[in-house]
Amino acid sequence: DAGVIQSPRHEVTEMGQEVTLRCKPISGHNSLFWYRQTMMRGLELLIYFNNNVPIDDSGMPEDRFSAKMPNASFSTLKIQPSEPRDSAVYFCASSLARWGFPGELFFGEGSRLTVL
Amino acid sequence: KNEVEQSPQNLTAQEGEFITINCSYSVGISALHWLQQHPGGGIVSLFMLSSGKKKHGRLIATINIQEKHSSLHITASHPRDSAVYICAVRAMYSGGGADGLTFGKGTHLIIQP
Repeated sequence: DAGVIQSPRHEVTEMGQEVTLRCKPISGHNSLFWYRQTMMRGLELLIYFNNNVPIDDSGMPEDRFSAKMPNASFSTLKIQPSEPRDSAVYFCASSLARWGFPGELFFGEGSRLTVL
Repeated sequence: KNEVEQSPQNLTAQEGEFITINCSYSVGISALHWLQQHPGGGIVSLFMLSSGKKKHGRLIATINIQEKHSSLHITASHPRDSAVYICAVRAMYSGGGADGLTFGKGTHLIIQP
């Protein structure tokens, strides 16, 4: 398997623009996570899905952020409108959870977002 | 609220030294992860454990559920071990579901030749 695939790897945009980050989890995994990493705050969970259903979105900063998982092989994280403080590396990870027990995490390479 | 504390924050050691990184957390958990991140790089999961001890090559991870504490050990450290090591825990909700991870701030490890 190719692992967790994220795109784009780098995105530079201007404040106010819409940003869409994409993630393809490992085939067969049933849990998908979106994380954000900044120098100030480290790694933070934004949202995670089990079987394509959002379970916990309490980490989503505000209404400008939204995430979807229309099927088991694809998820998006959208920021609209973007702001400079959204600049960070956004990681997607997937795992295979069984009987409510979490599985090993596999991370994508990350999407580095810069909002000017 | 789950708190995850790592120590030390920064560690510089000589090649060959035995390294220990500690992680303490505040709530009951379903699993604890040790992650490794090289500068500018992606994140790799080293271990996932919920009890006892695991070993992979020169890396050993232990966890004490009663004391809410885990350690990551590196034997015969090498410059290529230089990275940020992050502890992350998944809290156990009373309903039996799993939380989505709370992260420590990370330990910046530098191994000098």
